[in-house]
Amino acid sequence: AQSVSQHNHHVILSEAASLELGCNYSYGGTVNLFWYVQYPGQHLQLLLKYFSGDPLVKGIKGFEAEFIKSKFSFNLRKPSVQWSDTAEYFCAVREDTGGFKTIFGAGTRLFVKA
Amino acid sequence: SAVISQKPSRDICQRGTSLTIQCQVDSQVTMMFWYRQQPGQSLTLIATANQGSEATYESGFVIDKFPISRPNLTFSTLTVSNMSPEDSSIYLCSGQGNEKLFFGSGTQLSVL
Repeated sequence: AQSVSQHNHHVILSEAASLELGCNYSYGGTVNLFWYVQYPGQHLQLLLKYFSGDPLVKGIKGFEAEFIKSKFSFNLRKPSVQWSDTAEYFCAVREDTGGFKTIFGAGTRLFVKA
Repeated sequence: SAVISQKPSRDICQRGTSLTIQCQVDSQVTMMFWYRQQPGQSLTLIATANQGSEATYESGFVIDKFPISRPNLTFSTLTVSNMSPEDSSIYLCSGQGNEKLFFGSGTQLSVL
């Protein structure tokens, strides 16, 4: 069965600091990879996704993620965070076959100090 | 992009009762899913809601406890049956469209 591991449950950064959130998954087949974000009081929404091609993908608000197949990783990065990036971030994996169900990691709560 | 409306947004229920949560999508989505998010935890997939047939449940979830209907492409319900305090959680409806999931605002359920 698939599983998704996020390395950090809580992260506190000052504005302008760099961010990297770790994500590893376990699944032997082809997967689609996602990062979702939930801002306070809002719905979950897509931040970025990887299906195929360039393993470095760019999403909204200056976020990017790199798929490293050999490490089963899909880490999220942002060079300089802002106070408005305070949110919960979820890494997610979807099987590229059959049921297309999406499995989520435990989430990382990011707090950015102004 | 799809907009998902979910209701009720929150409820407080007595042990042993049942609650039905409704989910309406404003456009057709290929698949609909129900998730549970317990306090401090991630989203756990309960089941895939299949149009016109029985839902596909994940390990640890059964139809008798969480009956699901999806009579058409844009509407689904999840019932939490014979509730206990352990069912207190946020229940989220989601729809698969344009290669990503869309989410409703969730139903925050508290069972006393």
